[in-house]
Amino acid sequence: QQQVKQSPQSLIVQKGGISIINCAYENTAFDYFPWYQQFPGKGPALLIAIRPDVSEKKEGRFTISFNKSAKQFSLHIMDSQPGDSATYFCAGWEGAQKLVFGQGTRLTINP
Amino acid sequence: KAGVTQTPRYLIKTRGQQVTLSCSPISGHRSVSWYQQTPGQGLQFLFEYFSETQRNKGNFPGRFSGRQFSNSRSEMNVSTLELGDSALYLCASRQGATGELFFGEGSRLTVL
Repeated sequence: QQQVKQSPQSLIVQKGGISIINCAYENTAFDYFPWYQQFPGKGPALLIAIRPDVSEKKEGRFTISFNKSAKQFSLHIMDSQPGDSATYFCAGWEGAQKLVFGQGTRLTINP
Repeated sequence: KAGVTQTPRYLIKTRGQQVTLSCSPISGHRSVSWYQQTPGQGLQFLFEYFSETQRNKGNFPGRFSGRQFSNSRSEMNVSTLELGDSALYLCASRQGATGELFFGEGSRLTVL
């Protein structure tokens, strides 16, 4: 059962544009929401994370927007660069016990 | 500080065989988790070990098993391999029972 739904599956953005990836979750026991970035041949690496009592978190060009009532959150990448081309995963932690991932979004930034 | 190390990086097996994958966590990390990554199912949690005890388990058949040693190194074993077991198996470690997960580069298993 897919507890975290992620969209789109793939995304192409021009250099300098804004990349937006959306996630929706079902499990209300999730209490921490990280985003991971994965390059080909590498394991996922933590990019940014947010707690459900915060509506927005920004780190550099990366921003998470969180809507607890709608059970949705999204990743915005401002001024997207070719080096941002990777697969992005949203996820939810259930009491620090189990990390459930979304299906992933393959992001391509065209130069 | 060295990262999470997984061996072997690539391996090919045939149906019915078994395989053992190894993971050395970051020094000082006591928790090791395993994930299976496939194009169709994405990243799925297999199990987590903390201080040599299985702390949590995902929804995988009993053919998938693991263990953790006193030095925190972990192994996972898959018996009676099936074609559908072809995947990238990722190991992740963290310092305690909570905290950020650090992933290795994975072991890519192909079952023929």
